[in-house]
Amino acid sequence: SSELTQDPAVSVALGQTVVITCRGDSLRDYYACWYQQRPGQAPLLVFHGENNRPSGIPDRFSGANSGDTATLTITGAQAEDEAVYHCNSRDNGPNLVVFGAGTRLTVL
Amino acid sequence: EVQLLESGGGLVQPGGSLRLSCAASGFTFSNYAMSWVRQAPGKGLEWVSTITGSGGSTFYADSVKGRFTISRDSPKNTLYMQLNSLRVEDTALYYCAKWTTREWEPGTFDIWGQGTEVTVSS
Repeated sequence: SSELTQDPAVSVALGQTVVITCRGDSLRDYYACWYQQRPGQAPLLVFHGENNRPSGIPDRFSGANSGDTATLTITGAQAEDEAVYHCNSRDNGPNLVVFGAGTRLTVL
Repeated sequence: EVQLLESGGGLVQPGGSLRLSCAASGFTFSNYAMSWVRQAPGKGLEWVSTITGSGGSTFYADSVKGRFTISRDSPKNTLYMQLNSLRVEDTALYYCAKWTTREWEPGTFDIWGQGTEVTVSS
């Protein structure tokens, strides 16, 4: 079955820009979705589709899709952005939806 | 306010069963497909199952096919998951999540519950 690959951890200085990457064959057919998960909390949708940011999500969060790669960019990272970021997409394999293992973001 | 509230988790022995529930509020329940997604301790998210808004179609991950059954009761605004033949590797926090379309179409999980914990251990 398809898998999505994410870097286990990235760090960013406060106020700087960070790019979190997600790769997988399913991204050639379907857009990625991105979820933020703070410790002890449920996932929160922060970006999805071609260019969709849910209501209430700061505009410092943006996404892009190209070929087998999707990226989530946080422009001007804040302390409250420290969390695990999960990507997912639909899939044509036996499992309808696939997730990456998550990227832990540290804001220094 | 749109809200999902899971319940029904607990400690069960291998081979045992549990029934999870997810009470939905703040939206027209029958208009949206619903799913279960789980997260093993310290691990990433794993899609488990989806049911369309009408309840007419259900889908399962290979890891649970034949053991878990998803269902919904639209008048009660409640999603269910019957977990049978539980294994140690089913230990996880089980989230209920709302999809953004009624049928299985392009969309996303836009609302998540807080989860209910399932522990399978002897």
